[in-house]
Amino acid sequence: AQSVTQLGSHVSVSEGALVLLRCNYSSSVPPYLFWYVQYPNQGLQLLLKYTSAATLVKGINGFEAEFKKSETSFHLTKPSAHMSDAAEYFCAVDSGGGADGLTFGKGTHLIIQP
Amino acid sequence: KAGVTQTPRYLIKTRGQQVTLSCSPISGHRSVSWYQQTPGQGLQFLFEYFSETQRNKGNFPGRFSGRQFSNSRSEMNVSTLELGDSALYLCASSFFAGENNEQFFGPGTRLTVL
Repeated sequence: AQSVTQLGSHVSVSEGALVLLRCNYSSSVPPYLFWYVQYPNQGLQLLLKYTSAATLVKGINGFEAEFKKSETSFHLTKPSAHMSDAAEYFCAVDSGGGADGLTFGKGTHLIIQP
Repeated sequence: KAGVTQTPRYLIKTRGQQVTLSCSPISGHRSVSWYQQTPGQGLQFLFEYFSETQRNKGNFPGRFSGRQFSNSRSEMNVSTLELGDSALYLCASSFFAGENNEQFFGPGTRLTVL
């Protein structure tokens, strides 16, 4: 069975500071990994996805994530936080041939301090 | 191109009633997945439909069911509602079924069971 762990249900950073949201996964097969963002009263928007083509994945809005197989991690980063980045972020894995849908982490609420 | 639409956006029901939620995928997308989002359990996969056939189902009781029509629109039904069914129900569409297919999410239907 696959699972996703997001460390920190809430992360607070100052505007302009580095954003680091942590995600660790467990999967018996090479996974496909995703980061989604959810703004209040909205659905999920895909930020980026890992498909084994490159370990460093660049996404939208200046976010990127690095796949580290040895650490089973897929942490999300952004060099400089903007107020508009305040939202809920979800890491997800799909390693079941699509059979189980996406397995999501519990989410991390990103707070941006002015 | 229009995004995924879900109707209604908000719904209030009482225990024991049944409810039907609707999802219209992005034009050309043939796969529709449903997820339940609650504060306690997070995002959980309900089921996936592709070409009018249920492809996969998550670990939910038989009270949760769905279907897909020939135009790829999908409905999910919950019978004999329980308080614990209060949640945000998200629909996602993708061009194909299976792993590594980018899923586009709708805004969700917020169901409150009283």
